[in-house]
Amino acid sequence: QSALTQPRSVSGSPGQSVTISCTGTSSDVGGYNYVSWYQQHPGKAPKLMIYDVSKRPSGVPDRFSGSKSANTASLTISGLQAEDEADYYCCSYAGSFTFVFGTGTKVTVL
Amino acid sequence: QVTLKESGPVLVKPTETLTLTCTVSGFSLSDARMGVSWIRQPPGKALEWLAHIFSNDEKSYSTSLKNRLTISKDTSKGQVVLTMTNMDPVDTATYYCARIPAITMVRGIIPATYFDYWGQGTLVTVSS
Repeated sequence: QSALTQPRSVSGSPGQSVTISCTGTSSDVGGYNYVSWYQQHPGKAPKLMIYDVSKRPSGVPDRFSGSKSANTASLTISGLQAEDEADYYCCSYAGSFTFVFGTGTKVTVL
Repeated sequence: QVTLKESGPVLVKPTETLTLTCTVSGFSLSDARMGVSWIRQPPGKALEWLAHIFSNDEKSYSTSLKNRLTISKDTSKGQVVLTMTNMDPVDTATYYCARIPAITMVRGIIPATYFDYWGQGTLVTVSS
C-alpha cells in the first residue's frame, strides 16, 4: 500500500477557494467511495472533515466539500478563513478493512 | 461523550517491543461492528494506518508492518492494545488510536470506513 499523493502545499487569501487533490489507484481511491479527509492543527490530533467522499459530519462548516473522479479525490475549502490554516490528509479504504493515508497538504491562508 | 486515550512508554530502545494501550469511554468495545484502529505519525511526516480490531475480535493489519504488529482488546477494561516488535529509530512517532463507528443500514449494522474520534496521541521515541 503506497501513500496517496497530495500536493505538499496550497495557499489562498481569505475568502478565496482552494482545492487539494488526493491521487491513488484503482485499488484504493478508484475502487471505493470511501475517501475521508482530516484536518490537523499543529500539535493536535486529526479531525474528521469529510467522509464517504462528500459527506460532512455534524459541526463541520459547509465551506468544506469533497468529490472524486476516477482515482483522484478532492477537498475544496470555499471562503477560506484564517482558522482553516492547517495540514490536511486524505484517507482511502483499500480493501480487506485496510486503509491508506495521503502524504498530507499544508494549507496556508495568506 | 466518546473519548480515547493512549498510554505507554515514552522511550524504548532499538530491538525492544513496544506495547501501547488505548483506553476508551463513551462507547463499548462490544458494540456491534464497532472498532478501533492504531495510526502513527513520525515527527513532521504523514499519518500511517497500522492496525484495526473489531468488536467481534476480527483484525486487520498494514501489509508492510503485519509481521511486527499484534492488536488485541480487553472489552471489560475498555482497552485496545498494540504491540510492535523489533523497534527501530524510524518507528519514532506519535501513535494515535481512533474509533471507526458502526452505522445502521437497512441490511443491518456495518462498520464505517472513517475515523470519527481520535485520542490525543502519545509520542514514542526509539533510541539507545
